[in-house]
Amino acid sequence: AQSVSQHNHHVILSEAASLELGCNYSYGGTVNLFWYVQYPGQHLQLLLKYFSGDPLVKGIKGFEAEFIKSKFSFNLRKPSVQWSDTAEYFCAVTVPGGSQGNLIFGKGTKLSVKP
Amino acid sequence: SQTIHQWPATLVQPVGSPLSLECTVEGTSNPNLYWYRQAAGRGLQLLFYSVGIGQISSEVPQNLSASRPQDRQFILSSKKLLLSDSGFYLCAWKGTGNTIYFGEGSWLTVV
Repeated sequence: AQSVSQHNHHVILSEAASLELGCNYSYGGTVNLFWYVQYPGQHLQLLLKYFSGDPLVKGIKGFEAEFIKSKFSFNLRKPSVQWSDTAEYFCAVTVPGGSQGNLIFGKGTKLSVKP
Repeated sequence: SQTIHQWPATLVQPVGSPLSLECTVEGTSNPNLYWYRQAAGRGLQLLFYSVGIGQISSEVPQNLSASRPQDRQFILSSKKLLLSDSGFYLCAWKGTGNTIYFGEGSWLTVV
């Protein structure tokens, strides 16, 4: 069965620091990849997604992620974080044509940005 | 545009009591609908999905059930809640390109 691993449970950074959140998935075929974000007290929102094409995907609020097929990875990056980026971040994968396109989520990474 | 709503937003229920969480989607027809649970430290777990009225698939054995009485309505239920049912429940629907969109979530605390 497919699975998604997020390496860090809680990351604490100061404002302006660079961010990279790791995500690895276990499936040898074609996948669709997603990062979702949940700000405190808000619902899950789509941050960015990769289906095909350029493996470097740009999302909202200055986030980007790079799909590296050989490493089964889809790490999330941001050059300079802000206090408002404090949130929980979820990596997710779905297999095209798979069971109803259901998402498999990682356990999430909490990001705390100190002002 | 499509919207998804779920309620109630928060719920505190005693052990053994029933549960009903409701979710509705607007602006689309015959969507795939999902119930997820987010428990502390466990990420998001798919509980149920539905591809149409009356069609429910369960992903994990549990104390909960789901129903889809109308095309855009998805209900999560339990006859007798357990302490372990506490968590954050999310309704979702699948849009274009396999993208899942989530409702606001419902916090359930079983006491």
